[in-house]
Amino acid sequence: DTAVSQTPKYLVTQMGNDKSIKCEQNLGHDTMYWYKQDSKKFLKIMFSYNNKELIINETVPNRFSPKSPDKAHLNLHINSLELGDSAVYFCASSQAGARNTEAFFGQGTRLTVV
Amino acid sequence: GDSVTQMEGPVTLSEEAFLTINCTYTATGYPSLFWYVQYPGEGLQLLLKATKADDKGSNKGFEATYRKETTSFHLEKGSVQVSDSAVYFCARDTGTASKLTFGTGTRLQVTL
Repeated sequence: DTAVSQTPKYLVTQMGNDKSIKCEQNLGHDTMYWYKQDSKKFLKIMFSYNNKELIINETVPNRFSPKSPDKAHLNLHINSLELGDSAVYFCASSQAGARNTEAFFGQGTRLTVV
Repeated sequence: GDSVTQMEGPVTLSEEAFLTINCTYTATGYPSLFWYVQYPGEGLQLLLKATKADDKGSNKGFEATYRKETTSFHLEKGSVQVSDSAVYFCARDTGTASKLTFGTGTRLQVTL
């Protein structure tokens, strides 16, 4: 059983388009995240949601809009895609309040903007 | 702010060699510390963790000890295998908020 699943795995699109990446977790966690991994493998948090409420927004352009319909889902919508948005996007989840905030990651979505 | 610094790669070793990947963290708060591994084409998997000073995390032959006095969490393995080839990330949490800060990752390549 997949714990954190995100779709699609690959996404190739043209500049200016709008696209969405979906994420679902079946671990019963109450906190979900989006991380961005650039071409040099550097990982940086973008957003964190706890029980559908935004708790972390790390100076991400407002073209990126996360949406959490329930605590098991956190989707990422990107408007007006730019070349610099090309990266691998990882969804993750964890249980907030635990002393060690171990996060479980999805397989990643490789976004290529052309 | 919170940050993690790890040695730059790539690290290339022969099979059965000893591995050390250095990691240091900023001493703000009382973080938990983690090592994640990313195999080619896959997401990150937790390799090991430690939640307080002097704790040792271990898994699959890898070990790391939480050293408060040197603010370090170095990853070690006594005898690497080709299957250990991957990118290794050191990370810390903020201690109070649900957020991980990662190091830049170290690519390990193990050859026969």
